[in-house]
Amino acid sequence: DTGVSQDPRHKITKRGQNVTFRCDPISEHNRLYWYRQTLGQGPEFLTYFQNEAQLEKSRLLSDRFSAERPKGSFSTLEIQRTEQGDSAMYLCASGDIPSNQPQHFGDGTRLSIL
Amino acid sequence: TQLLEQSPQFLSIQEGENLTVYCNSSSVFSSLQWYRQEPGEGPVLLVTVVTGGEVKKLKRLTFQFGDARKDSSLHITAAQPGDTGLYLCAGGGSNYKLTFGKGTLLTVNP
Repeated sequence: DTGVSQDPRHKITKRGQNVTFRCDPISEHNRLYWYRQTLGQGPEFLTYFQNEAQLEKSRLLSDRFSAERPKGSFSTLEIQRTEQGDSAMYLCASGDIPSNQPQHFGDGTRLSIL
Repeated sequence: TQLLEQSPQFLSIQEGENLTVYCNSSSVFSSLQWYRQEPGEGPVLLVTVVTGGEVKKLKRLTFQFGDARKDSSLHITAAQPGDTGLYLCAGGGSNYKLTFGKGTLLTVNP
């Protein structure tokens, strides 16, 4: 059990650029979650996968955001045409039946928009 | 919209003191989770409580879920510097997502 792994740990980019983050969940976990955390706030839910199916998306996930989990294992989160307000820590978490909620979080990708 | 209010927002104490942090909501949750988060890291799950009135103990940490499943508390006995961190409560429902509070930032001074 190597835990939830996220890559990169830090990303600095200019406004308007596209960025993609990767999450590798704990291997036997079929549920994968993306959350976003800004300074002084708790994490906010973005989206949830069960295996390869994206079952729920938050209204926070504008059309510039897209998440995939093509083979039911790792997941990617892409942000197109980044804006200043996208600066945050993007957290991935995984979990398994019977728990409905995430059990293990990764250490996140910190995104800074210049 | 379900909201979780955590108090206090900041807490600075001396090693050996006891403390309690609170997590309150007007909404009912099917479960409540407590996490500890250190700078630059993801939240680490401490405990999940699911039954109203439930009390769980984890070494020097005692967690309680309110009878109505709307509130929770975390009590730490004889705090140590290693307890320093951001304590987050999160409510869960049947829809797989967690609603987090803003957290209590605890500093335990040696």
